[in-house]
Amino acid sequence: DGGITQSPKYLFRKEGQNVTLSCEQNLNHDAMYWYRQDPGQGLRLIYYSQIVNDFQKGDIAEGYSVSREKKESFPLTVTSAQKNPTAFYLCASTPSSGNTIYFGEGSWLTVV
Amino acid sequence: QQQVKQSPQSLIVQKGGISIINCAYENTAFDYFPWYQQFPGKGPALLIAIRPDVSEKKEGRFTISFNKSAKQFSLHIMDSQPGDSATYFCAARPGRDDKIIFGKGTRLHILP
Repeated sequence: DGGITQSPKYLFRKEGQNVTLSCEQNLNHDAMYWYRQDPGQGLRLIYYSQIVNDFQKGDIAEGYSVSREKKESFPLTVTSAQKNPTAFYLCASTPSSGNTIYFGEGSWLTVV
Repeated sequence: QQQVKQSPQSLIVQKGGISIINCAYENTAFDYFPWYQQFPGKGPALLIAIRPDVSEKKEGRFTISFNKSAKQFSLHIMDSQPGDSATYFCAARPGRDDKIIFGKGTRLHILP
């Protein structure tokens, strides 16, 4: 089945540790996105990539890093510089010729 | 100018009633207005979408009303059911190659 796979679903990390969230899509979509969701804050864009080996900062990029070495993969690293990393993280993608943005199932990150 | 303002933040409706969620925008370059539905612990999924050359679009119990002159659009859920309880996001896109901008979401609860 085509879709976006995020892993892990739940992740616990100690404060000060970097953590990488995986996002893989087999939809052959060109653009990929990372959003952060906090209660009452809606969906805030962290980073996005419209093509392999290129990505742009979103609205809340500080403390995060990404790479786009392959079309189907867009991992997100939450670094120790991110002050409040506990949140629900959503990966998404869009085709170059379409309008719809497709989301993965999300990853819950808890930093203790 | 790139914002999409969504209201109310939360909404409680009796089963069988009409749920109405409103969104407003400023940027007249927006050319695509989707609504997304998100169930707890899941990623958002496209519910219904409209383009600015149409004033209304209906899909089953879900209707988008679009008022171009007022720069407002709304989602109406007729005969609301407990299974409609979810968070709803309106969104807008400022151009084909541009990223989608989301409202902050409305938590809808349908009383059984």
